Amino acid sequence: GAVVSQHPSWVICKSGTSVKIECRSLDFQATTMFWYRQFPKQSLMLMATSNEGSKATYEQGVEKDKFLINHASLTLSTLTVTSAHPEDSSFYICSEDGSQETQYFGPGTRLLVL
Amino acid sequence: QKEVEQNSGPLSVPEGAIASLNCTYSDRGSQSFFWYRQYSGKSPELIMFIYSNGDKEDGRFTAQLNKASQYVSLLIRDSQPSDSATYLCAVNSAGGGNKLTFGTGTQLKVEL
Repeated sequence: GAVVSQHPSWVICKSGTSVKIECRSLDFQATTMFWYRQFPKQSLMLMATSNEGSKATYEQGVEKDKFLINHASLTLSTLTVTSAHPEDSSFYICSEDGSQETQYFGPGTRLLVL
Repeated sequence: QKEVEQNSGPLSVPEGAIASLNCTYSDRGSQSFFWYRQYSGKSPELIMFIYSNGDKEDGRFTAQLNKASQYVSLLIRDSQPSDSATYLCAVNSAGGGNKLTFGTGTQLKVEL
């Protein structure tokens, strides 16, 4: 399967600051990546589809001005949580759209907003 | 609304037994079905995918798909304590691009 990395693996920040999370495809040129969020004891919720060279497609209820996605190259997508608040504390996971419609997930980034 | 449903568990099985995990989905147009395993605090890892009705085997894992009943299952033979995790069922619906809809997962506990 594909190899996906995320950085940082965890981050603690103060309320009101912005946090950038990087998702890299290490062995595959990914025109499409996905960003998910997972709260404790809950399943993965798709936030947005990141498309290389174009605007991301956000799921209903996800604020595009708060969760900025940039997919400037075939190997890198970034998610910026702007003006983070405690309710944004979650596990953020990206995935790469691989072959045969499979998705391969990065290791995730745990965000804690104080 | 497209939904994927799983029993949250926990499902407890003794070591060496067969664990049976079930998933139902609402969208009849669904075409691709996936099982992911997620250990606590980690991201999901792909176990198997299945597209056609019937069984698909890979080592100790067997995925079963019945599109008429909108049902997909995962069997784990010779369950090991290391299989203890949450198993997520995911469905890729027709016309949804490659977006996946996940169930809430079933927690499996394999006991010594």
